[in-house]
Amino acid sequence: DAGVTQSPTHLIKTRGQHVTLRCSPISGHKSVSWYQQVLGQGPQFIFQYYEKEERGRGNFPDRFSARQFPNYSSELNVNALLLGDSALYLCASQPRSQNTEAFFGQGTRLTVV
Amino acid sequence: DAKTTQPNSMESNEEEPVHLPCNHSTISGTDYIHWYRQLPSQGPEYVIHGLTSNVNNRMASLAIAEDRKSSTLILHRATLRDAAVYYCILRDDGGSTLGRLYFGRGTQLTVWP
Repeated sequence: DAGVTQSPTHLIKTRGQHVTLRCSPISGHKSVSWYQQVLGQGPQFIFQYYEKEERGRGNFPDRFSARQFPNYSSELNVNALLLGDSALYLCASQPRSQNTEAFFGQGTRLTVV
Repeated sequence: DAKTTQPNSMESNEEEPVHLPCNHSTISGTDYIHWYRQLPSQGPEYVIHGLTSNVNNRMASLAIAEDRKSSTLILHRATLRDAAVYYCILRDDGGSTLGRLYFGRGTQLTVWP
């Protein structure tokens, strides 16, 4: 069975640029969440989408945005990249939004130079 | 925000049991206790969760104190593959957070051969 897939696996961008990260959830899962993991820390919640609607947003600036498509895949967009945006970006899928385990992808390693 | 306290690191020998503690003194009645682990260069992986009663699955056991202010993740026989960062997370599946995970720094478990 295919797990959560994220692309690309690694990415290098320059300050001020824009980046789009992609996530395909496990088949049948309708909830997708995004997390940012800075080196040495635990993942921090960014967004949750369920049935194509935003259901929650963490404490991140408006430069961060996301959307979920009819096939339940998702994109995370970050504008005006800062050096501090360098991190591992993780996508997690769940069959529904509540009371289920989350399945994480391997993440996208973003480096901003 | 993370509402749990865990030791930064623990060590164990292979094939010995490991007890990973977690304090959550401000737990509310609708908070589930979740444990995830993150192996090097991978996304977090679900381990176990519970509400009030002790729980067992193929990976581990979860012992929850009677007052629910602390819990212990038990790995019955540690293997080298169990070396990871273990996160104890409170998740309110009955409230507005809709299954989001708020990670702390977790406990780095080292397993010696």
